[in-house]
Amino acid sequence: QSVLTQPPSVSGAPGQRVTISCTGSSSNIGAGYEVHWYQHLPGTAPKLLIYGNTNRPSGVPDRFSASKSGSSASLAISGLQAEDEADYYCQSYDNSLRGEVFGTGTKVTVL
Amino acid sequence: QVHLVQSGAEVRKPGASVKVSCKASGDSFTRYYIHWVRQAPGQGLEWMGIVNPSADTTSLAQKFQGRVTVTTDTSTSTVFMEVSSLRSDDTAVYFCARGRGGYYGLDHWGQGTLVTVSS
Repeated sequence: QSVLTQPPSVSGAPGQRVTISCTGSSSNIGAGYEVHWYQHLPGTAPKLLIYGNTNRPSGVPDRFSASKSGSSASLAISGLQAEDEADYYCQSYDNSLRGEVFGTGTKVTVL
Repeated sequence: QVHLVQSGAEVRKPGASVKVSCKASGDSFTRYYIHWVRQAPGQGLEWMGIVNPSADTTSLAQKFQGRVTVTTDTSTSTVFMEVSSLRSDDTAVYFCARGRGGYYGLDHWGQGTLVTVSS
């Protein structure tokens, strides 16, 4: 069981904005550890979308943005496109488990 | 640009062991960490552990301690992960990924290695 909880699925029409929440606790996100976000398409390797809570690696469109507050974080995708249909995971460090943890994952569907 | 290349798919019987390799190129191998992450069919990503090649130190998630061994060969910039006493629920795609420290996330990933455990 992951200690970072995400909604199983979110959906939106092309052009719309969707958000994905990542709820943690005082031993991970709430302790101040950075949150990272990944996009994962079936049959491929996960791709880093956001690092250090809010930063986009080079090449990631600015349609992707993220925030963090307290023990939670969120990823927003604006101007939703068909190519955004994928699974999304948050990741942080947990000092109780003494290791990295991934969120439960969210499937984004473009209607 | 870092490039991680993993070994090919494997099939093992329950109780056997499997060793997956992850060869790095494009950057100094000892300047970063290598993480192992797996994804079982229909499941999410699961962090397994981390190795620091320069210090030759490893930290594993508790559920894998005692059954997973991670080693490095700095002469070939290769990390090896061995899982012993395989069970059917170890069937998964195993990924290696580069980490530069907690702030940076896992920015480069291997292509994944499918390990199938079946009698």
